[in-house]
Amino acid sequence: QITLKESGPTLVKPTQTLTLTCTFSGFSLRSSTVGVGWVRQPPGKALEWLGIIHWDDDKWYSPSLKNRLSLMKDTSNDQVVLTLTNMDPVDTGTYFCAHSQMTYHSGSGSSHFDFWGQGTLVTVSS
Amino acid sequence: QSALTQPASVSGSPGQSITISCTGTNSDVGGYKFVSWYQQHPGKAPKLVIYDVDNRPSGVSSRFFGSKSANTASLTISGLQPEDEADYYCMSHTSSRTLVFGGGTRLTVL
Repeated sequence: QITLKESGPTLVKPTQTLTLTCTFSGFSLRSSTVGVGWVRQPPGKALEWLGIIHWDDDKWYSPSLKNRLSLMKDTSNDQVVLTLTNMDPVDTGTYFCAHSQMTYHSGSGSSHFDFWGQGTLVTVSS
Repeated sequence: QSALTQPASVSGSPGQSITISCTGTNSDVGGYKFVSWYQQHPGKAPKLVIYDVDNRPSGVSSRFFGSKSANTASLTISGLQPEDEADYYCMSHTSSRTLVFGGGTRLTVL
């Protein structure tokens, strides 16, 4: 049974760095084709993809956040850590981590999110 | 990267069928067989209902059907049920090795 859970601060001040941890069970990030991704959702708005880290440590980042976002995996503790620098009120929202599975078609590979954490609300305010 | 284009809302009566579109470009939806669809009820995490354009995960009802033509992917839900009322999001792989969501569609079951 695959489960994921996000943890971290609920309130951060503008310009501070956000650090969120995704702790998972039921799979290993050492396994081929597996990854963990992050998605956020501002209150009342749409989902936004942030980034994904794959089993081989390949990392994909949203172009709009590439300069601020970092993902790291700790396979020994079954965790993935998200770091987002220079937080702004527009970064307020629910942050989800999710298990991803890579599939391949015509020589290309990509991922979809088949198991999700419950999400954690992060508010950016002074 | 720009979000994929979805209608803001669709509606249907119980038992009817509805289709939600997701329009992108040759660099995302049209270029790959990597479109997935997610159902999200209020206050809940999204749930995968379709992946790789037309594949249903185990446990998802056969009433959910995915397809694609050129730069537009579609999610069709047949035999609408009250529990289908939710927000639906498409997501696609892009040529830049990123992922992008659509703006979301609110499905109302009348």
